[in-house]
Amino acid sequence: DTAVSQTPKYLVTQMGNDKSIKCEQNLGHDTMYWYKQDSKKFLKIMFSYNNKELIINETVPNRFSPKSPDKAHLNLHINSLELGDSAVYFCASSPAPYEQYFGPGTRLTVT
Amino acid sequence: GQQLNQSPQSMFIQEGEDVSMNCTSSSIFNTWLWYKQDPGEGPVLLIALYKAGELTSNGRLTAQFGITRKDSFLNISASIPSDVGIYFCAGPPPWAGSYQLTFGKGTKLSVIP
Repeated sequence: DTAVSQTPKYLVTQMGNDKSIKCEQNLGHDTMYWYKQDSKKFLKIMFSYNNKELIINETVPNRFSPKSPDKAHLNLHINSLELGDSAVYFCASSPAPYEQYFGPGTRLTVT
Repeated sequence: GQQLNQSPQSMFIQEGEDVSMNCTSSSIFNTWLWYKQDPGEGPVLLIALYKAGELTSNGRLTAQFGITRKDSFLNISASIPSDVGIYFCAGPPPWAGSYQLTFGKGTKLSVIP
């Protein structure tokens, strides 16, 4: 199926740990994104890559580091996890400005 | 940052009723997008609007790009239980680059069978 996929779907971990979330899209899109959705369902952009190059980097703690090994993948690595990092993280991709297609999300719970 | 204000925040309607929701901004937007998020899923793009005054339909959904370019509206006709979810408006803020979207806080729709 053509889609944006993320792994894992659920991630439960302890404070202080380091974890990664993977994202892949097989839509042939040039641009990929990471969003954070808080408990109130507010969606906020974190990062965006266009052709493996970082183009958006919002005010996100530097414990969060995106990595794009190729145009189809954008992974998110988080160091020293904190309780406040608990949220749902969405990957998205777009063929052109604006029309973004979202993955199913990764629910991160930090205990 | 720029806020997109969605109204209402939540609504309960009877199956078969029509639904209207809107999104407003204090700044002009050149594009408006409407997304729906089902529980436990990612947002899905419903309709994209690119021109002031534009009216676009997708099945029972109709969205309009406000003539002032500071608002947009989404209507759902003859609601059914699977319309349940959170509806988000989104648009590229005028100060940001082409690829950045800002989202409203959503309208949560509940449909009573």
